[in-house]
Amino acid sequence: SQTIHQWPATLVQPVGSPLSLECTVEGTSNPNLYWYRQAAGRGLQLLFYSVGIGQISSEVPQNLSASRPQDRQFILSSKKLLLSDSGFYLCAWTPTDRLETQYFGPGTRLLVL
Amino acid sequence: QKEVEQNSGPLSVPEGAIASLNCTYSDRGSQSFFWYRQYSGKSPELIMFIYSNGDKEDGRFTAQLNKASQYVSLLIRDSQPSDSATYLCAVIFPGSARQLTFGSGTQLTVLP
Repeated sequence: SQTIHQWPATLVQPVGSPLSLECTVEGTSNPNLYWYRQAAGRGLQLLFYSVGIGQISSEVPQNLSASRPQDRQFILSSKKLLLSDSGFYLCAWTPTDRLETQYFGPGTRLLVL
Repeated sequence: QKEVEQNSGPLSVPEGAIASLNCTYSDRGSQSFFWYRQYSGKSPELIMFIYSNGDKEDGRFTAQLNKASQYVSLLIRDSQPSDSATYLCAVIFPGSARQLTFGSGTQLTVLP
């Protein structure tokens, strides 16, 4: 069966510090991968998606970036965090035979102080 | 503009009642619709998806789709306190490369 992991689970970082969040998927190959952010009390905002290694599409211009160095690994990064980057970061994947159906990882809660 | 609208609630129903959650969307050409449940502090989990007009049932959950009126709903029969969560509606709009657009969610509380 397929599983998706995210770490860390929680993170507290000062403004201006760098960020690296990791997402990995097990039990599948060539999944589509997504990064979302959910601000407190708000809906999900799609940040990036990837259909393959090294292929990244950005939905919202901001100080975040994403990379996909391996087939089942998706990384979200920032060089300098802003207060507005606080939120719940969710990674999602879709199976290759059902590209419309997204499944979410457990998420990383980020607080920027 | 791609929009998915949900009543934020909170919606409260007594245990055993039917909870009805509604969602409207902006593009009549949309073909794929999803309901996710999100417990407080947790990530969303997929409950159901529906592609065709009419009803689709899965256990205590029924999704209803009316493309002409551009709404999709979720009914939860025999509501339980464990159903208390935020329910997110998501739509794939035409030309969006299968990207989901989410509503802001409806908070449901089932009172014992």
